[in-house]
Amino acid sequence: DAGITQSPRHKVTETGTPVTLRCHQTENHRYMYWYRQDPGHGLRLIHYSYGVKDTDKGEVSDGYSVSRSKTEDFLLTLESATSSQTSVYFCAISETGQNTGELFFGEGSRLTVL
Amino acid sequence: GQQVMQIPQYQHVQEGEDFTTYCNSSTTLSNIQWYKQRPGGHPVFLIQLVKSGEVKKQKRLTFQFGEAKKNSSLHITATQTTDVGTYFCANGNQFYFGTGTSLTVIP
Repeated sequence: DAGITQSPRHKVTETGTPVTLRCHQTENHRYMYWYRQDPGHGLRLIHYSYGVKDTDKGEVSDGYSVSRSKTEDFLLTLESATSSQTSVYFCAISETGQNTGELFFGEGSRLTVL
Repeated sequence: GQQVMQIPQYQHVQEGEDFTTYCNSSTTLSNIQWYKQRPGGHPVFLIQLVKSGEVKKQKRLTFQFGEAKKNSSLHITATQTTDVGTYFCANGNQFYFGTGTSLTVIP
């Protein structure tokens, strides 16, 4: 398996609190992605990064921000968590990016917002 | 955007029966990828199809990319309990995944 670590793996929080999920890779891959997975919706892209400090929005970016200050770390922040953000969040990495590279996924972070 | 629709959402089969999931797009895709997610696990890359009409096989799995590059299918011959999981297609830029087909194999 690719060297991808997500933390925390499980988190329960309350509505209105900030939450940060971390994705750490040891593969030195350029591209990193955050997806959320919900029943009936499959995987939906939140944000992605194509290099240090280079990020862009995905399909469901509202309510989320990201930062990538180092190649190995990609942070996903919920500034003020809402119940609709209860989900399983997956980080993924790719060496060559769009249209060519396969995605390697982390183990996932299960977030519950009460 | 290049969203992809996937059917069926669920499929229950007896062990030994065949299984097929279909992925469709309203626009031409540059390529398509397939992933498998075991229950409680994370998606794992299976294959990428690039050429029009391309057919690739991996043991009992057969992947096809349509001539117009707007649809794709994954066919499993003689399913086994190890095939259980959810199968996703994704458009080439990885922005859009299908909703997945959850396969249950009854022993």
